[in-house]
Amino acid sequence: AQKITQTQPGMFVQEKEAVTLDCTYDTSDPSYGLFWYKQPSSGEMIFLIYQGSYDQQNATEGRYSLNFQKARKSANLVISASQLGDSAMYFCAMREANAGNNRKLIWGLGTSLAVNP
Amino acid sequence: KAGVTQTPRYLIKTRGQQVTLSCSPISGHRSVSWYQQTPGQGLQFLFEYFSETQRNKGNFPGRFSGRQFSNSRSEMNVSTLELGDSALYLCASSLLGADNNSPLHFGNGTRLTVT
Repeated sequence: AQKITQTQPGMFVQEKEAVTLDCTYDTSDPSYGLFWYKQPSSGEMIFLIYQGSYDQQNATEGRYSLNFQKARKSANLVISASQLGDSAMYFCAMREANAGNNRKLIWGLGTSLAVNP
Repeated sequence: KAGVTQTPRYLIKTRGQQVTLSCSPISGHRSVSWYQQTPGQGLQFLFEYFSETQRNKGNFPGRFSGRQFSNSRSEMNVSTLELGDSALYLCASSLLGADNNSPLHFGNGTRLTVT
C-alpha cells in the first residue's frame, strides 16, 4: 500500500501568494518523521523542512511551514509569499522509527509547482 | 562546507555495458544512500552504506551493487545495462542516519541514459 500520497500532480500560484501542497501518509508506527524536499530542474534534491510525530508545534523554516494534522495523517507544506524561484517539484517523504536499520525514506510522487509572475 | 558531490553528471551507455557512479558525501557524514528516480516510479531506494557496510538494500536486481570506502565515499555499479535503467541516480548523505530527524542531503545526481 502506498504510504505517502501527494494528490496534486501540478499546481499553479501567483507570485507573492501563498500555496499549500498536500501530503497524506499511512503508518502504524507511533514514531516517525516527515520531510519535504524541493527538486528544481537542475535535479538536486533540497531539504526544506522536518516534522517529528511527537513535535507539539508545526515546523517552520523561513517561508516554509508544515501544517501537521496527526489525526488526519496529513503534513501539508505551506509556502508563503511565493517567488519565481519556488517553481520546482516538491516531494513529501517519511521515515518510520520502528523500521530499525531500515531507515530509508518513503517518498510521494511529488507535486510540480509553477509560480506565475 | 562542500555538499554532496556526484560524478559524472551525465552518462550515455549502450545496453549490455556496465557503469560506475561516484558519490562523495558531506565531510563527516558516514551514511550514504542511493536512489533511482524515474518519472513513472518516483524515487526508489537502492541501498544504504554506513561505515563501509551495506546496512539496507532495496528491491533491485543483483545487477545493482555498491560499496563504500573508508573515507565514506561511495560508488554504485550497474552491470549489463538495460533500457529501463535510464534514470536520475541520486546519492544522499546524512550525519548519523539512525535518527528520525536526520535529513538526507542530496547531490545533483547522475543522469544515466541507456540506448
